[in-house]
Amino acid sequence: QQQVKQSPQSLIVQKGGISIINCAYENTAFDYFPWYQQFPGKGPALLIAIRPDVSEKKEGRFTISFNKSAKQFSLHIMDSQPGDSATYFCAAPSGGYNKLIFGAGTRLAVHP
Amino acid sequence: GAGVSQSPSNKVTEKGKDVELRCDPISGHTALYWYRQSLGQGLEFLIYFQGNSAPDKSGLPSDRFSAERTGGSVSTLTIQRTQQEDSAVYLCASSLAPAGLSTDTQYFGPGTRLTVL
Repeated sequence: QQQVKQSPQSLIVQKGGISIINCAYENTAFDYFPWYQQFPGKGPALLIAIRPDVSEKKEGRFTISFNKSAKQFSLHIMDSQPGDSATYFCAAPSGGYNKLIFGAGTRLAVHP
Repeated sequence: GAGVSQSPSNKVTEKGKDVELRCDPISGHTALYWYRQSLGQGLEFLIYFQGNSAPDKSGLPSDRFSAERTGGSVSTLTIQRTQQEDSAVYLCASSLAPAGLSTDTQYFGPGTRLTVL
């Protein structure tokens, strides 16, 4: 059974700083690593995902870095803003179909 | 278009009672998932429906939990003889997910917050 270990559990960053969240996985049938963002009282929503024929994917201030040999991937939020304050979940595929195993989540607080 | 909807948004029940939680997926989405999110915890997979295939029930924590999906659309998660440890937010998600292909985006509903007294 796939396990995904996410760290840190919580993170406090000053406005304008860089937020970094890390995840490690065990095994995967194929490479697809999404990050979901969840605001209080809402369901998670896809933020960014990588299908790593590349080692990095950038969308605006959000970047996923992927290290296949280490079985690790990370989310970097550049120029963090108070509006980025949310819980972030990484995920990795488990099994041969559309089933994701999620990390425990990181609660990010960006202080103005 | 409309997103995934769930009802009720909040449910308070007494220990030992049965509860039913409803999920209306996005129209046309063939895959439907149920997750449980306990306070401060991640998303725990419960069950997965894909089209007319047999559901993947591997995440259901006990035989008190069951789910069905009628007509390939609406799904109901039933918890029998609720226990206090069942208190959590139950999230439903759907995706286009053609069988056998790589993952599609999962679209989550707002969840049902279940409190068992």
